[in-house]
Amino acid sequence: EADIYQTPRYLVIGTGKKITLECSQTMGHDKMYWYQQDPGMELHLIHYSYGVNSTEKGDLSSESTVSRIRTEHFPLTLESARPSHTSQYLCASSGTGQTYNEQFFGPGTRLTVL
Amino acid sequence: LAKTTQPISMDSYEGQEVNITCSHNNIATNDYITWYQQFPSQGPRFIIQGYKTKVTNEVASLFIPADRKSSTLSLPRVSLSDTAVYYCLVGTDYKLSFGAGTTVTVRA
Repeated sequence: EADIYQTPRYLVIGTGKKITLECSQTMGHDKMYWYQQDPGMELHLIHYSYGVNSTEKGDLSSESTVSRIRTEHFPLTLESARPSHTSQYLCASSGTGQTYNEQFFGPGTRLTVL
Repeated sequence: LAKTTQPISMDSYEGQEVNITCSHNNIATNDYITWYQQFPSQGPRFIIQGYKTKVTNEVASLFIPADRKSSTLSLPRVSLSDTAVYYCLVGTDYKLSFGAGTTVTVRA
């Protein structure tokens, strides 16, 4: 079944640790996105990719980095986690030729940095 | 992306119709109007999209007047499970700007 997956769903980690949030999609979509959302607040685009080896920063500045080596995989990395990084991280994808502005979202990773 | 304005919150009761109006005065000729739904602790879900007039699917209807400066999402006969945040977006860029959305609370 075509879908978009995120792991882990929940992560509690100490300050200074390096973490990678995984995102994979099986829909063959060329475009992928990372959003950050605090509880009850707006979603903010932090990274996006229009294809393999293409990555761009989004509207909200983020200390995280991303890579896109394979079409289906778009991991997000924090080199040194801090309490200010505590948030929900949502991954999404969309494909060329489908309905404009239709993105498919994963279940999210809720990150807590102590 | 065109800026949108929608109410912060709306309350309704089960079985009623909910209409959420979104203003987008500076919509461009090529822009589409898209609505998403988000439940707590989940990612947003695409509901409906339109360019002009009326669009209807199994979930909702979208009404767009001729000048396209606003749009209205209509949810027929809501249930408790329709309690969510609803976002109105305008544009054609693949980058989406969600804004604050409208929190719809359905009561029994």
